Amino acid sequence: QVQLVESGGGLVRPGGSLRLSCAASGFTFSDYYMSWFRQTPGKGLECISYIDGSSRYINYADSVRGRFTISRDNAKNSLYLQMNSLRAEDTAVYYCTRLTRLPDFWGQGTLVTVSS
Amino acid sequence: DVVMTQSPLSLPVTLGQPASISCRSSQSLVYSDGNAYLNWFQQRPGQSPRRLIYKVSNRDSGVPDRFSGSGSGTDFTLKISRVEADDVGVYYCMQGTHWPWTFGQGTKVEIK
Repeated sequence: QVQLVESGGGLVRPGGSLRLSCAASGFTFSDYYMSWFRQTPGKGLECISYIDGSSRYINYADSVRGRFTISRDNAKNSLYLQMNSLRAEDTAVYYCTRLTRLPDFWGQGTLVTVSS
Repeated sequence: DVVMTQSPLSLPVTLGQPASISCRSSQSLVYSDGNAYLNWFQQRPGQSPRRLIYKVSNRDSGVPDRFSGSGSGTDFTLKISRVEADDVGVYYCMQGTHWPWTFGQGTKVEIK
């Protein structure tokens, strides 16, 4: 069955960096677009980036463009999110999702806290 | 950005009774291919979202037929024909027609 397992979350100071990973299994990873979403109690759910199977098509939400970078390694069935210049408002649970035009399967999430 | 407005935000329901959640978008969700990319998600307490309905009215595999989606253009509805205890949680609509994809605020379903 489809499994998505995120890792890499934690506490980081404002201005710092963090790299999230998502290990995928149960499907042919390279065949699917993948994405990162995040959720906060205040702003709710937000899609922040997606990437196609060959890493040719990538898009970002304005809130993270220029600071976050999505990437993937199909040989390792893994999705990544490099987060730089982190701000307090980036504090959220980050989810990795598989896309079939829109998200179908979600990981369990990893908490990122940006605080001094 | 497309604004998705759900109502009600809180929905107390008696077990076995029907429930209905409305979702309205600030723009038409009909894409150039003729489809409306409107999903419904359920998020149970402490869990990640689970997709229930895609493209307005298509139920995902394993989703009970108590759940149904309908609507078109800018007005959409999720209905639960008979609420069960397992249905407690927050329900979100999400549009994937216009980037950035956006979500409704969520409707909290609880048992009276």
